[in-house]
Amino acid sequence: SQQGEEDPQALSIQEGENATMNCSYKTSINNLQWYRQNSGRGLVHLILIRSNEREKHSGRLRVTLDTSKKSSSLLITASRAADTASYFCATDEWGAQKLVFGQGTRLTINP
Amino acid sequence: GAGVSQSPSNKVTEKGKDVELRCDPISGHTALYWYRQRLGQGLEFLIYFQGNSAPDKSGLPSDRFSAERTGESVSTLTIQRTQQEDSAVYLCASKTSGASNEQFFGPGTRLTVL
Repeated sequence: SQQGEEDPQALSIQEGENATMNCSYKTSINNLQWYRQNSGRGLVHLILIRSNEREKHSGRLRVTLDTSKKSSSLLITASRAADTASYFCATDEWGAQKLVFGQGTRLTINP
Repeated sequence: GAGVSQSPSNKVTEKGKDVELRCDPISGHTALYWYRQRLGQGLEFLIYFQGNSAPDKSGLPSDRFSAERTGESVSTLTIQRTQQEDSAVYLCASKTSGASNEQFFGPGTRLTVL
């Protein structure tokens, strides 16, 4: 079963704007990860945030984690057309070795 | 080094036939995962292999689905008596045994059951 739920399901913005996607989950987690998927094929790992971290940056990406609300957000600043893709959050429960993925947010950057 | 590879990239089959999908993980990665992704949906966990431990098969949707892995290398996912509902992209991922759960994904096999 899917634990994570992304919001919104689809997002369309102009190039140069910031894009924010949210993810909610249900159980206690070890860490939360964000992945990107182009054209419905392989996923690429973007960033991992551990349960004891609140914010993390990587280039134009900023991830926050609020374990009290069981939610995370992914911010992409200064978006580019090449950022058009689907973005998924994934969580792993303590003691588990498998990731549980959300349904994804389809991001479209308009030139 | 080479990433995760999967074959075939596309497979079209007739309902009722068996199919076999292959995954070559990154060398040295002890963990290997199979996922199914239906059109426009998220990833559904199917099965997980870790070294010589018994696989976690909790995600396999029916007894028509099975998977094998030879040591810490190639894995095959077999779907018997395929149904139209099996149409999806099947993704394989591998990772090291370290604490970080970052998974490295292959390009997937797109299965179409007519």
